[in-house]
Amino acid sequence: SQTIHQWPATLVQPVGSPLSLECTVEGTSNPNLYWYRQAAGRGLQLLFYSVGIGQISSEVPQNLSASRPQDRQFILSSKKLLLSDSGFYLCAWSVVGANQPQHFGDGTRLSIL
Amino acid sequence: AQSVTQPDIHITVSEGASLELRCNYSYGATPYLFWYVQSPGQGLQLLLKYFSGDTLVQGIKGFEAEFKRSQSSFNLRKPSVHWSDAAEYFCAVGFGNEKLTFGTGTRLTIIP
Repeated sequence: SQTIHQWPATLVQPVGSPLSLECTVEGTSNPNLYWYRQAAGRGLQLLFYSVGIGQISSEVPQNLSASRPQDRQFILSSKKLLLSDSGFYLCAWSVVGANQPQHFGDGTRLSIL
Repeated sequence: AQSVTQPDIHITVSEGASLELRCNYSYGATPYLFWYVQSPGQGLQLLLKYFSGDTLVQGIKGFEAEFKRSQSSFNLRKPSVHWSDAAEYFCAVGFGNEKLTFGTGTRLTIIP
């Protein structure tokens, strides 16, 4: 069966520090991969998605970036974190194709001090 | 324009009572429809999905949803809620590409 792993589960970082969140999927090949951010008490904001290695689509202009160095690995990064980057970050995967259900990881709680 | 609306931000229901959470969409064709549940501090879990066929869809945890084309709705229902159903519920819609559009969510509180 397919599984998705996100780490770390919780992260506290100072303003201006770099960020790297990692997401990996097991049990499937060539998945679509997604990064979302969820601010406190709010809905999901799609940040990036990828339909293949090295293919990244950005949904929201900001100081975050994403990379997909391997088929089942998706990384969210920042060179300098802002206070507004605080939130709950969720990675998800789906099979290739339109309108597919997405399957989510357990998320990373990021707090910026 | 393509959109998803969950009109209720917060709903409170007594344990054992029935539940209906609303979801409306705007789209010129038949969309692909999903309901997810999120417990505090957790990721989203898929409850059910509708692609085509029978408009009443059964999901996990005793939930069901009904697609009504005439009303552009896909409401989630449960005959009798349990305290463990307290969570955030998200409706999501596929509009024909690799992305899903999520509603803003409905927070469900269960009172004894």
